[in-house]
Amino acid sequence: DSGVTQTPKHLITATGQRVTLRCSPRSGDLSVYWYQQSLDQGLQFLIQYYNGEERAKGNILERFSAQQFPDLHSELNLSSLELGDSALYFCASSGGGVPNQPQHFGDGTRLSIL
Amino acid sequence: SQQGEEDPQALSIQEGENATMNCSYKTSINNLQWYRQNSGRGLVHLILIRSNEREKHSGRLRVTLDTSKKSSSLLITASRAADTASYFCATDPYNFNKFYFGSGTKLNVKP
Repeated sequence: DSGVTQTPKHLITATGQRVTLRCSPRSGDLSVYWYQQSLDQGLQFLIQYYNGEERAKGNILERFSAQQFPDLHSELNLSSLELGDSALYFCASSGGGVPNQPQHFGDGTRLSIL
Repeated sequence: SQQGEEDPQALSIQEGENATMNCSYKTSINNLQWYRQNSGRGLVHLILIRSNEREKHSGRLRVTLDTSKKSSSLLITASRAADTASYFCATDPYNFNKFYFGSGTKLNVKP
């Protein structure tokens, strides 16, 4: 058990809809990362937050947004969903803003767009 | 792309044999990490090797890093059926904990 909790585990919705994925980091971790894993694109870094502030941005679409709350949990919002957004979305956490730290992953949210 | 690329894409071996996976990357790095992913689960950190290290061991795992060739290898000795998983290398070229993952090697260890 990594200590990172993601909810829900599965989400099925339709094109055009909006969903929110939730992540609770490992106790004491200040950094949260979001990744998208699909068969054709592999594991893609989306965005990182550190102690409530956005720290790094990756291949995140404008239709997607995220935030980290004062209690350090994070939410990833996906809107105007398209079929191609179907993927596994992972959250990971690490101790702080310093480099060379391993990341601890949750078990992901599987998003299926019908 | 700055992503690492693992080789081979898939590997099937018998229990007890050694498994070697390779990773090549494109940019200069400060560290490289290896992760394991069991089917349908999140990634699990295995080992981190810094750019000034050439080799690192952790249990049955041995990782090497050759920064001149921009490559790393992961060796799993005396493999077990429980080692069946996908293995990914990840680089952090800008030291921001912003990781670029390779496409992974799918390892199947037959009992």
